[in-house]
Amino acid sequence: SSVLTQPPSVSVAPGQTATITCERYNIGSRSVHWYQQKPGQAPVLVVYADSDRPSGIPERFSGSNSANTATLTISRVEVGDEADYYCQVWDNDSVSYVFGTGTKVTVL
Amino acid sequence: QVQLVQSGAAVKKPGSSVKVSCKASGDTFSSYAFNWVRQAPGQGLEWMGGIIPFFGIPNYAQQFQGRVTITRDESTSTAYMELSSLTSEDTAMYYCARAGQMPISWFDYWGQGTLVTVSS
Repeated sequence: SSVLTQPPSVSVAPGQTATITCERYNIGSRSVHWYQQKPGQAPVLVVYADSDRPSGIPERFSGSNSANTATLTISRVEVGDEADYYCQVWDNDSVSYVFGTGTKVTVL
Repeated sequence: QVQLVQSGAAVKKPGSSVKVSCKASGDTFSSYAFNWVRQAPGQGLEWMGGIIPFFGIPNYAQQFQGRVTITRDESTSTAYMELSSLTSEDTAMYYCARAGQMPISWFDYWGQGTLVTVSS
């Protein structure tokens, strides 16, 4: 299946750690990218190639990828991190990009 | 700095077509792939297709095959997406997004989005 499954929502208190998963069989063999989208705005790349950060993205954002699960971790969560987050891979079988189902992060 | 500027919002009748443009500036246009992603109201991101230099020809998501045409004009650094046979289900925000030359590349810059509303 080409579906990338994410939890619909994650709630976290300020200063704590948010963990967002992206599941698919053998996703560890693929390069995973993560995007943050705030309401009314275009998505922004926050992690690429599993664990690299673009310039300007805080070190609080980190990624990992192994076996059947890729993970985006947001440390020391801030109110400004409240957004939807999407994972993405290139799928060789369908010759297409695939996005995850999306996770809404709520900062309590 | 890199900027992708898209054309303005459009209101279309069912059965018609819409063409959205995405003008790039700030970098070498020909070195990058330009993809199109849409987002229906309250829904997630959906890749429609793109022109990936590695393949040299447009790639389209299966669900849009036959209805979408993606082109690029190197002389004006502009990418285009045309979607035909519109229905109300095509009402969405449409984004262009830049990626590297290889299919595994990420989308590092995005346009501001173009709202397409399909209504009779």
